[in-house]
Amino acid sequence: AQTVTQSQPEMSVQEAETVTLSCTYDTSESDYYLFWYKQPPSRQMILVIRQEAYKQQNATENRFSVNFQKAAKSFSLKISDSQLGDAAMYFCAYRRGIGETSGSRLTFGEGTQLTVNP
Amino acid sequence: DGGITQSPKYLFRKEGQNVTLSCEQNLNHDAMYWYRQDPGQGLRLIYYSQIVNDFQKGDIAEGYSVSREKKESFPLTVTSAQKNPTAFYLCASTLTGVSPLHFGNGTRLTVT
Repeated sequence: AQTVTQSQPEMSVQEAETVTLSCTYDTSESDYYLFWYKQPPSRQMILVIRQEAYKQQNATENRFSVNFQKAAKSFSLKISDSQLGDAAMYFCAYRRGIGETSGSRLTFGEGTQLTVNP
Repeated sequence: DGGITQSPKYLFRKEGQNVTLSCEQNLNHDAMYWYRQDPGQGLRLIYYSQIVNDFQKGDIAEGYSVSREKKESFPLTVTSAQKNPTAFYLCASTLTGVSPLHFGNGTRLTVT
């Protein structure tokens, strides 16, 4: 079974600084997708960024970027120029590749609570 | 606007009672999911459905039941057999294939 591990229960960053959240996963699959979701105090789950395992290039979405190391099974999220609105719980998630019969079910890590200090 | 609606936002029940959580989507998504969220444990999959009148157990299905009679609706019943039902419940949906999950705003269930 696939597992996703986030080893940092809590992280903090100063406003305008950069922070990196860690995620590792365990899988025997070669085709899969990885995601970072953000859950602010409203508890709405918001997709931040996603990465296809077959792509070598790291995904980027504005101030958010990932460092995807397939061999090491590592998928970290870097937030640049941190803003107060970035404060939230961040979840790393794994999904098996297209063609897999169990739909788009995601396996989530335990989450990292990010605090942004003004 | 399209989206996923979960109701109610807060739900209170006495121990031993069954309770049904509503999830409706107007995104024309094929697949729908129920996740449970507890502090420090991330989200865990309860049930999912890829097509009307069909659904599969997730990782923690015991004590829960679902139905999928319409594409738009995927209600979750928390039965009295669920040992620790107090939690935050999230419904999600997606088109089949590589689309990401879209989530509802969740229902906080408290059983006393």
